[in-house]
Amino acid sequence: NAGVTQTPKFQVLKTGQSMTLQCAQDMNHNSMYWYRQDPGMGLRLIYYSASEGTTDKGEVPNGYNVSRLNKREFSLRLESAAPSQTSVYFCASMQGTSYNSPLHFGNGTRLTVT
Amino acid sequence: AQTVTQSQPEMSVQEAETVTLSCTYDTSESDYYLFWYKQPPSRQMILVIRQEAYKQQNATENRFSVNFQKAAKSFSLKISDSQLGDAAMYFCAYRSAKGGSFNKFYFGSGTKLNVKP
Repeated sequence: NAGVTQTPKFQVLKTGQSMTLQCAQDMNHNSMYWYRQDPGMGLRLIYYSASEGTTDKGEVPNGYNVSRLNKREFSLRLESAAPSQTSVYFCASMQGTSYNSPLHFGNGTRLTVT
Repeated sequence: AQTVTQSQPEMSVQEAETVTLSCTYDTSESDYYLFWYKQPPSRQMILVIRQEAYKQQNATENRFSVNFQKAAKSFSLKISDSQLGDAAMYFCAYRSAKGGSFNKFYFGSGTKLNVKP
């Protein structure tokens, strides 16, 4: 099983450039998430999608957009990258039908904005 | 938003010894779920253990166990017989059981565990 697959693994952008981080899961999970991880701050929720066709803002949504393309795929877009968006980005998914369901994570994307 | 606090940015333990990582959280809810995740240098996030707030019995997974103190809003992770492979960042996470919020997980800032041979 592939689980949660994120692409790319590494990316360097210049300020103002745009890009889309791709995420796909093959576990038939309902909920999908985008987190960013910064030193000393843990993981902060950017956006999440509780089910296909819905998306909601998390703690730090500014500067990002998301698309839940179908049940499998949830993409994160940076329209105009800023140095403050340098971070490690994680996609995650969750079954959503059981209250003690854990998050299943992808391997992350390290993004550097210069 | 719920707050999860890990007050120990970094800890060290000798191989084969026991170490306890602390986690506290702030919530007004009575029903929720707590998790510990491990992040080795590979960056992968791995579920270590989980606890339902309505259960008084502390969860155990092999060498990993928790001390859940609901009144104190404390959820510490004990690692027994520490191994070199336990060296990683450890994150505590909270998830509400309340409808409308139960899809959100809140994470602490992490504790880096070093294991000395």
